Amino acid sequence: DGGITQSPKYLFRKEGQNVTLSCEQNLNHDAMYWYRQDPGQGLRLIYYSQIVNDFQKGDIAEGYSVSREKKESFPLTVTSAQKNPTAFYLCASSIVGAEKLFFGSGTQLSVL
Amino acid sequence: DQQVKQNSPSLSVQEGRISILNCDYTNSMFDYFLWYKKYPAEGPTFLISISSIKDKNEDGRFTVFLNKSAKHLSLHIVPSQPGDSAVYFCAATGTYSGAGSYQLTFGKGTKLSVIP
Repeated sequence: DGGITQSPKYLFRKEGQNVTLSCEQNLNHDAMYWYRQDPGQGLRLIYYSQIVNDFQKGDIAEGYSVSREKKESFPLTVTSAQKNPTAFYLCASSIVGAEKLFFGSGTQLSVL
Repeated sequence: DQQVKQNSPSLSVQEGRISILNCDYTNSMFDYFLWYKKYPAEGPTFLISISSIKDKNEDGRFTVFLNKSAKHLSLHIVPSQPGDSAVYFCAATGTYSGAGSYQLTFGKGTKLSVIP
């Protein structure tokens, strides 16, 4: 079955620690995205990538970093510079030029 | 500055009745609108969309209406079923977003509860 796999489902971060959230897709989509959802809030775009080895900042990129070394993979690193990292993180993908996004099941990140 | 607004955080409806979820937008450059459905601890799933060249789009029990002059869209679910209980997000985008990649702007969501 084609889809987007995010791991882990739950992640805990200690203060000063960088953590990496995994996102893999086998939909053969060129575009991939990272969104953050806070309770009672909409989804806010962190980073997106339209092609391998290229990515752009979204609305709330500060404290985050990404890489796109393979078409299938778009990992997100939450750095220690992100002071309020507790949130539900969603990875998505789409065909380039298409508005419809396909989402993964999300990763809940909490701070210890 | 919220460009996509869902002013009702929650809505309760009896099973079998109509559910109407509303969404307002402020950016006149938006020309494509989508509704996503989300269960707790899961990713959103696409439900239905509408282009600004239309004022209505139907898919089974789901109908989306677009009023461009009022910058308002609504999602109608008829008849409502308990399995429809979820958070519904309205999202918008425009072709101005840049070559090849559409950035969706999401509302805060409306939690629908369908009571058996």
